[in-house]
Amino acid sequence: AQKITQTQPGMFVQEKEAVTLDCTYDTSDPSYGLFWYKQPSSGEMIFLIYQGSYDQQNATEGRYSLNFQKARKSANLVISASQLGDSAMYFCAMREGYNYGQNFVFGPGTRLSVLP
Amino acid sequence: EPEVTQTPSHQVTQMGQEVILRCVPISNHLYFYWYRQILGQKVEFLVSFYNNEISEKSEIFDDQFSVERPDGSNFTLKIRSTKLEDSAMYFCASHLTEQGHEQFFGPGTRLTVL
Repeated sequence: AQKITQTQPGMFVQEKEAVTLDCTYDTSDPSYGLFWYKQPSSGEMIFLIYQGSYDQQNATEGRYSLNFQKARKSANLVISASQLGDSAMYFCAMREGYNYGQNFVFGPGTRLSVLP
Repeated sequence: EPEVTQTPSHQVTQMGQEVILRCVPISNHLYFYWYRQILGQKVEFLVSFYNNEISEKSEIFDDQFSVERPDGSNFTLKIRSTKLEDSAMYFCASHLTEQGHEQFFGPGTRLTVL
């Protein structure tokens, strides 16, 4: 079974609009962390935001916020006021426990295209 | 701001040749990783390294792969006899504490095996 599901292979958004990228996860471990990374066409992986399973509040980092719905096992990324530079692949990832090894898995990604 | 660096950015090699991919993690970090991303696919864990030894490895990390930290700063991934299917982007990553949540990725090395 897939641990991380990203159902949107591609998304389009108009510049300055908000966009939500979906991520659902599957784990029975009570301690886990959820991550979003951005991968522009140049290839590097850029850490965006983190949500711990015990965090009471949704994580926010500038224009990025994570809509964490624990009961539904979803961790959607919301990008407000999209910019052309936001066009990239976006990966959701989960770390079960505190181990970045086998227990750190990535989803298949969503390609976001921001339209002028 | 400190960053993880990787060299080369792109490596082209013939099948069967050995390659060494180099990484310089952030200087005070203690945990080091290699990941692989085949073109168009998701990132996959290869190996983790702590206290000068492998702490975990995936089934991808077979006998053709090895890692070492020869001089306290570089962290290398060696592929002894490359195969066509080793063509991928290879990312090095590091973090400071075991429970630290921000893992820093390097820019990647794109390996092309011909």
